[in-house]
Amino acid sequence: EAGVVQSPRYKIIEKKQPVAFWCNPISGHNTLYWYLQNLGQGPELLIRYENEEAVDDSQLPKDRFSAERLKGVDSTLKIQPAELGDSAVYLCASSLYGEGSNEQFFGPGTRLTVL
Amino acid sequence: LAKTTQPVSMDSYEGQEVNITCSHNNIATNDYITWYQQFPSQGPRFIIQGYKTKVTNEVASLFIPADRKSSTLSLPRVSLSDTAVYYCLVQNAGKSTFGDGTTLTVKP
Repeated sequence: EAGVVQSPRYKIIEKKQPVAFWCNPISGHNTLYWYLQNLGQGPELLIRYENEEAVDDSQLPKDRFSAERLKGVDSTLKIQPAELGDSAVYLCASSLYGEGSNEQFFGPGTRLTVL
Repeated sequence: LAKTTQPVSMDSYEGQEVNITCSHNNIATNDYITWYQQFPSQGPRFIIQGYKTKVTNEVASLFIPADRKSSTLSLPRVSLSDTAVYYCLVQNAGKSTFGDGTTLTVKP
């Protein structure tokens, strides 16, 4: 079974440029997460989807970040314009929603460097 | 969700048993306790999850006392490849919060 797929794996951009990350979750998983991880810190949730609905986007900086999950499968996270402080690893995870037990399966992440 | 607290780092030697304790004083009735492992340049990977008492799988054991305000991840006979960051989470359905984890270093 294929795991969570993310692309690109690495991205280097100039500040003020736009950037987009793509995630393909595990087939059948209805819950999708986007996390941001800074060096030496744990992942921080940006947004959580249940099917097509964003059920928790309270930590998403909506002035520059946007996300979508069309048809409840793939998802795209966009930053426009990027700032120096956005340099981090962006992780996507998916799970099968259920009470209590929600093992999250993570992709390898996209390492973003903003110059 | 309850905030978790765990040691920043731990050292061990190959072949030893390692116990990492996590405190979650404000855990709610419906919350589960989950542990993840993360290697450099990889996403976190699920290790084990429990609600109360003891859970054991092929890689670890999880001990949860009756009051559920803490939990202990036990790794039997660690090897160099167990060097990683270990995260304790309190989880309820789709909701969970990662802390900064415990960096375990296994030495030869």
